[in-house]
Amino acid sequence: KAGVTQTPRYLIKTRGQQVTLSCSPISGHRSVSWYQQTPGQGLQFLFEYFSETQRNKGNFPGRFSGRQFSNSRSEMNVSTLELGDSALYLCASSVPGTAGGYTFGSGTRLTVV
Amino acid sequence: GEDVEQSLFLSVREGDSSVINCTYTDSSSTYLYWYKQEPGAGLQLLTYIFSNMDMKQDQRLTVLLNKKDKHLSLRIADTQTGDSAIYFCAESIRRVSGTYKYIFGTGTRLKVLA
Repeated sequence: KAGVTQTPRYLIKTRGQQVTLSCSPISGHRSVSWYQQTPGQGLQFLFEYFSETQRNKGNFPGRFSGRQFSNSRSEMNVSTLELGDSALYLCASSVPGTAGGYTFGSGTRLTVV
Repeated sequence: GEDVEQSLFLSVREGDSSVINCTYTDSSSTYLYWYKQEPGAGLQLLTYIFSNMDMKQDQRLTVLLNKKDKHLSLRIADTQTGDSAIYFCAESIRRVSGTYKYIFGTGTRLKVLA
């Protein structure tokens, strides 16, 4: 079965711009979580969506937002980009309420210049 | 508090065994996981162990859990160059809401020397 698909794979944006990243989970996985990965901070939890509702949120400023659609696909948006937002953004899907772990996508590498 | 710690680097020779260690602080963890990340890729779930188990073996991988010391290890037998990657330890903690919170370690970079 198809894995978790993230698009685009790479992005270069300028400070102040906004960006939208997309994630299609594994079929049947209704929970989608987003993480930011940087060399200095490791994996930082952004938010989790289930049934089009944000269930949990990490400690990121309001410039980071997300949403989930009825087909479980999810998008995250970062507005007013800063240089420090350069990172690998990972999407992970799972079956909610189980502890079988995540299936991660390959990530979107965002570079802010 | 919730914290998962790992050593940053490990270097082994091809054919030897690798042991990657992890310590965690939250005793209410439900499952503990090992993920592998290769360059340019996302994290791949390798194996996981329920918190009331001591050991789990899956082909070349052996997971040992010492719940008293909050210590988790991953042993890779007959390490190959293809095992070179970053390995993340993670624990899941069940929230009151019924969802799971995952805490990831900082990752251990394994380098396998030919």
